[in-house]
Amino acid sequence: EAGVVQSPRYKIIEKKQPVAFWCNPISGHNTLYWYRQNLGQGPELLIRYENEEAVDDSQLPKDRFSAERLKGVDSTLKIQPAELGDSAVYLCASSLDGSLGEYFGPGTRLTVT
Amino acid sequence: ELKVEQNPLFLSMQEGKNYTIYCNYSTTSDRLYWYRQDPGKSLESLFVLLSNGAVKQEGRLMASLDTKARLSTLHITAAVHDLSATYFCALGSSNTGKLIFGQGTTLQVKP
Repeated sequence: EAGVVQSPRYKIIEKKQPVAFWCNPISGHNTLYWYRQNLGQGPELLIRYENEEAVDDSQLPKDRFSAERLKGVDSTLKIQPAELGDSAVYLCASSLDGSLGEYFGPGTRLTVT
Repeated sequence: ELKVEQNPLFLSMQEGKNYTIYCNYSTTSDRLYWYRQDPGKSLESLFVLLSNGAVKQEGRLMASLDTKARLSTLHITAAVHDLSATYFCALGSSNTGKLIFGQGTTLQVKP
């Protein structure tokens, strides 16, 4: 069984530029999560999807961040414009029904210069 | 405010020694997770603890949960170098599916 796939794995951009991350969850997993992990800290939830519906986006900075999950499968997280403080690892995770353990992807390491 | 606090945050130990990582949390929950993260890698699920008194063991790692004390422990027995990693506990909810992570404990096992 393939795991959670994310791309790109690394991204370096200048501040004020846009950036997008892509996630393909484990097949059949209805729940998809985007987390941000700052250096030396635990992941923090940005947004959670149940199928194509965003059910928890309270921690998503909506002035510059947006996300979508079309057709309830793949998801894209976008930042526009990026700021220096956005440098972090962005992790995607999925789970079967939201109540069991989450499976994490390898993450995208974003560096904003 | 919901908090999940781990201690210690950094642990250096010799191979063959035993040690315990502590995870305290500030509100009731119905599940507690432990994850492992190697440098530059993603998180790997180790244990899911679902009830008071739950104990799970895998190799040299044993996790337990005391919901009354709001405390989970991860005990390392006879540590080996391969256990060097960062360990996170995370508080979960069957209702929301949301995880709140602790700060992580970086374990360094020296030969």
